[in-house]
Amino acid sequence: AQKITQTQPGMFVQEKEAVTLDCTYDTSDQSYGLFWYKQPSSGEMIFLIYQGSYDEQNATEGRYSLNFQKARKSANLVISASQLGDSAMYFCATNQGGKLIFGQGTELSVKP
Amino acid sequence: ETGVTQTPRHLVMGMTNKKSLKCEQHLGHNAMYWYKQSAKKPLELMFVYSLEERVENNSVPSRFSPECPNSSHLFLHLHTLQPEDSALYLCASSQGGSAYEQYFGPGTRLTVT
Repeated sequence: AQKITQTQPGMFVQEKEAVTLDCTYDTSDQSYGLFWYKQPSSGEMIFLIYQGSYDEQNATEGRYSLNFQKARKSANLVISASQLGDSAMYFCATNQGGKLIFGQGTELSVKP
Repeated sequence: ETGVTQTPRHLVMGMTNKKSLKCEQHLGHNAMYWYKQSAKKPLELMFVYSLEERVENNSVPSRFSPECPNSSHLFLHLHTLQPEDSALYLCASSQGGSAYEQYFGPGTRLTVT
């Protein structure tokens, strides 16, 4: 069964606008973490942001924030003030059973 | 060098060749991972080493053989691969298990001909 679902294969956003990338997860664990990674065309996976299941506040890191809605099992990534360099693949992941489980990814394109 | 490095960045090999991928982390982490990323598929975890012991072997064919001689180095030995093994192979490290963020290398893009 798929544990992480990213329903948007591709997204476009205008430079300087905000964009939300969707992620839903499925787990029966009480304690878990949610991660977002960025993968530019160069291939490297860059860690962006982490949310623990017991964290009451939504995580933020600079222009990245995680909209964590535990009851809905969603962990959407919000990128504010998009920049051209934000164009990349974005992967949501969760740690389950001692592993990181990744979603299919969303390809974000930022238009000038 | 800092972070996680991988060599080579690109590799083309025939099905009868033997080659090795190398990963080195300079972060002082104690866990290292190999992932496979095929086109249009999520990342697939292949192997996990924690404190130099293999703790995960995710049903990977025996033509892939990992080696972790110390906490900073991880190898993936390849032999008699198939064309469907062509993919991006990513190495990652973390301090602790998967509950902690993993830091990835740039990957090796492998093509099997």
